[in-house]
Amino acid sequence: AQSVTQLDSHVSVSEGTPVLLRCNYSSSYSPSLFWYVQHPNKGLQLLLKYTSAATLVKGINGFEAEFKKSETSFHLTKPSAHMSDAAEYFCVVRRGVLNNDMRFGAGTRLTVKP
Amino acid sequence: DTGVSQDPRHKITKRGQNVTFRCDPISEHNRLYWYRQTLGQGPEFLTYFQNEAQLEKSRLLSDRFSAERPKGSFSTLEIQRTEQGDSAMYLCASSLATGSNYGYTFGSGTRLTVV
Repeated sequence: AQSVTQLDSHVSVSEGTPVLLRCNYSSSYSPSLFWYVQHPNKGLQLLLKYTSAATLVKGINGFEAEFKKSETSFHLTKPSAHMSDAAEYFCVVRRGVLNNDMRFGAGTRLTVKP
Repeated sequence: DTGVSQDPRHKITKRGQNVTFRCDPISEHNRLYWYRQTLGQGPEFLTYFQNEAQLEKSRLLSDRFSAERPKGSFSTLEIQRTEQGDSAMYLCASSLATGSNYGYTFGSGTRLTVV
């Protein structure tokens, strides 16, 4: 079965420093992977998606993620954190091409200190 | 508005009462999903529709829960005899069915509080 594990429930960085949010996946075949962001009292927003094309995926707001099959990882990074990046981030795996439903990780709360 | 709309935004109900939530997906999206998110957790899949057909239901969807999408457009999620454990954010999302390249568009959710 497809699943994701977010390795950190909370990450705290200073403004202007790099961000790393870690995600490992489990899948019996090449998965489709996504990162979503959820700001307080806002809906979930798609940051980026990997669908077996380029392994380095660029998303919105300067975020990117690299698909590493050998490590079964899909970590989210950003070179320089901004205060507005403070939010909950979810790593997501699509369960299957036919079924199409998504399975979310437990989330990582990103705090950005001034 | 071309996004996914959910109504109401907040619902407070007494234990044992029935509640119904509505979701209006993006008009050209033929798939519609319901998720539940409890505090500190990621969204959990409940059920999804392709057009008017309900194709899958999670085991989380007990007999007290029922979802419909009668005309393949908007959907409703009803919870009968609510329990305190039903308190959560209920999220609706929509997508196109074809291919694996489509992410979901989520609504802002309905927050249910059972007192």
